[in-house]
Amino acid sequence: AQTVTQSQPEMSVQEAETVTLSCTYDTSESDYYLFWYKQPPSRQMILVIRQEAYKQQNATENRFSVNFQKAAKSFSLKISDSQLGDAAMYFCAYRRGGGSNYKLTFGKGTLLTVNP
Amino acid sequence: NAGVTQTPKFRVLKTGQSMTLLCAQDMNHEYMYWYRQDPGMGLRLIHYSVGEGTTAKGEVPDGYNVSRLKKQNFLLGLESAAPSQTSVYFCASSYFPRLAVPTDTQYFGPGTRLTVL
Repeated sequence: AQTVTQSQPEMSVQEAETVTLSCTYDTSESDYYLFWYKQPPSRQMILVIRQEAYKQQNATENRFSVNFQKAAKSFSLKISDSQLGDAAMYFCAYRRGGGSNYKLTFGKGTLLTVNP
Repeated sequence: NAGVTQTPKFRVLKTGQSMTLLCAQDMNHEYMYWYRQDPGMGLRLIHYSVGEGTTAKGEVPDGYNVSRLKKQNFLLGLESAAPSQTSVYFCASSYFPRLAVPTDTQYFGPGTRLTVL
């Protein structure tokens, strides 16, 4: 079974600085997708960034980027120029590839605090 | 577009009571999902549906039933609520994978906080 591990229950960062959230996963599949979701106090889950396993290039979305190390099964999220609105719980998630594979497996989350 | 909406936002039940949570999406998504989120556990899949009239069990289905009578709606039912079902429930939806359409991004609703006393 696939597992997703987020080893940092909590992290903090100063406004305007950079922070990296860690995620490792375990799978025997070669085709899969990885995601970072943000959950602010409003509780809604918001997709931050998505990475296809077959792509070697790391995904980026504005201030958010990932470091995808397929051999090491590592998928970290880097937030640059942190803003107060980035404060949230961040979840790493895994999904197996293939046409009918739907299930997301989530890590337990990392609570990010942004200090002014 | 409203995206994914959930009704109600909060609910308190007594043990043994029943209730139905409604999820609605206006994005014409084929797939819909129900998750529960407990402290320190991340999200876990309860049930899911790959199309109108179809449902299937996820990771933690016991004590729940679901129905998908219309493509845009996915209902989660608790027939006899138990304190262990106190949780935050999230609905999500996504497209069926096809070449021209982003496949696996799930869109989440705002959640329903359920307390069972």
